[in-house]
Amino acid sequence: NAGVTQTPKFQVLKTGQSMTLQCAQDMNHEYMSWYRQDPGMGLRLIHYSVGAGITDQGEVPNGYNVSRSTTEDFPLRLLSAAPSQTSVYFCAVGVQGSSYNSPLHFGNGTRLTVT
Amino acid sequence: AQSVTQPDIHITVSEGASLELRCNYSYGATPYLFWYVQSPGQGLQLLLKYFSGDTLVQGIKGFEAEFKRSQSSFNLRKPSVHWSDAAEYFCAVGAGYGGATNKLIFGTGTLLAVQP
Repeated sequence: NAGVTQTPKFQVLKTGQSMTLQCAQDMNHEYMSWYRQDPGMGLRLIHYSVGAGITDQGEVPNGYNVSRSTTEDFPLRLLSAAPSQTSVYFCAVGVQGSSYNSPLHFGNGTRLTVT
Repeated sequence: AQSVTQPDIHITVSEGASLELRCNYSYGATPYLFWYVQSPGQGLQLLLKYFSGDTLVQGIKGFEAEFKRSQSSFNLRKPSVHWSDAAEYFCAVGAGYGGATNKLIFGTGTLLAVQP
């Protein structure tokens, strides 16, 4: 049981390049989300999804796209990377509407550097 | 708007000493409150959570936290710190609406160092 799997673990991009950060879960949870973690700023919510075909914006959505075609996968796309997107990205998964009874489960993160 | 403040960026304690990490929140209704811990290179792990009921909640690894509505605080405590507790600690409030209670607002974190 892998839980929440993020790939890649590390990535270096040049400004303007595109890439997709992958998040896969085998927990059959409806809720999936992406956070970015920056020094001194904690974790900030980028996008989230409450089920297949449903996505919504979080606190810092600009520059990122998401889609949710299956329960298992929630990829995060950077269409034109910028140095301001250098960060550590976390995928978090949980039972929809039940963060109290079922906490968010985090992946181990993707460290992205944009030069 | 909902927010979480962790006023201490970095704390150093001696092994065996007691620990208190501060957390203040801003939220209009009864909050869902959480403490998470992050070890280097890892994701976040839930330590404990509060929704309602007893204001003193117990978590894993010997941690506890007390919800004080009058002070809008949810401080994390441990009576005797172990070297393995060195990590970064995040307080979070559940900020969802319309059923999306999974949406968490995180504080900026407190980095704990433990001296031998």
